[in-house]
Amino acid sequence: QSVLTQPPSASGTPGQRVTISCSGSSSNIGNNIISWYQQLPGTAPKLLIYSNNQRPSGVPDRFSGSKSGASASLAISGLQSEDEADYYCAAWGDSLNGRVFGGGTKLTVL
Amino acid sequence: QVQLVQSGSELKKPGASVKVSCKASGYTFTNYAMNWVRQAPGQGLEWMGWINTNTGNPTYAQGFTGRFVFSLDTSVSTTYLQISSLKAEDTAVYYCARDRFNLDYWGQGSLVTVSS
Repeated sequence: QSVLTQPPSASGTPGQRVTISCSGSSSNIGNNIISWYQQLPGTAPKLLIYSNNQRPSGVPDRFSGSKSGASASLAISGLQSEDEADYYCAAWGDSLNGRVFGGGTKLTVL
Repeated sequence: QVQLVQSGSELKKPGASVKVSCKASGYTFTNYAMNWVRQAPGQGLEWMGWINTNTGNPTYAQGFTGRFVFSLDTSVSTTYLQISSLKAEDTAVYYCARDRFNLDYWGQGSLVTVSS
């Protein structure tokens, strides 16, 4: 059971906007920055969003992040087939847990 | 460009040990901590801990104490993950990831399979 809670799956059709939620607590998301990672099939994870809503160089602006209280969301607009991947949220937790990940959301482009 | 290149796949018997390496290039090695992340087959990401590349001081997540050891050799910009007394449930892909508040670069992963 992951410390951060994500829906196990999400789906959308090309061109649609989808959002993936990540729920935590004051021990993690509520008092720390959150990041999002994209893992394409058979590859290593890649940093997608950092510091709640910042995109690394090279990440399309179709991807955006937000945070409110102890929850965060990743939004993908103009969905494309190449967005089909697993998405993970992460944040620093308390001293006992260290860095914590969400369980991951498998995004399917229909 | 920043690269983290990990060692190849390993097949080990239960009770054996394994050492996975992660060689960094393209940046000043000691300016960034290195994290280790485990991904069991078909499962999500699990944070194992990190090592301070300046001091060599490791920090282990819950569940990764005792049999897991992080180490480094700054002369070759390489960090290591050693797992002893291997069990079937250690079968996973192990990733190293550079860390400065976020895991911004990842190695390609090293598959460790534990089977008799």
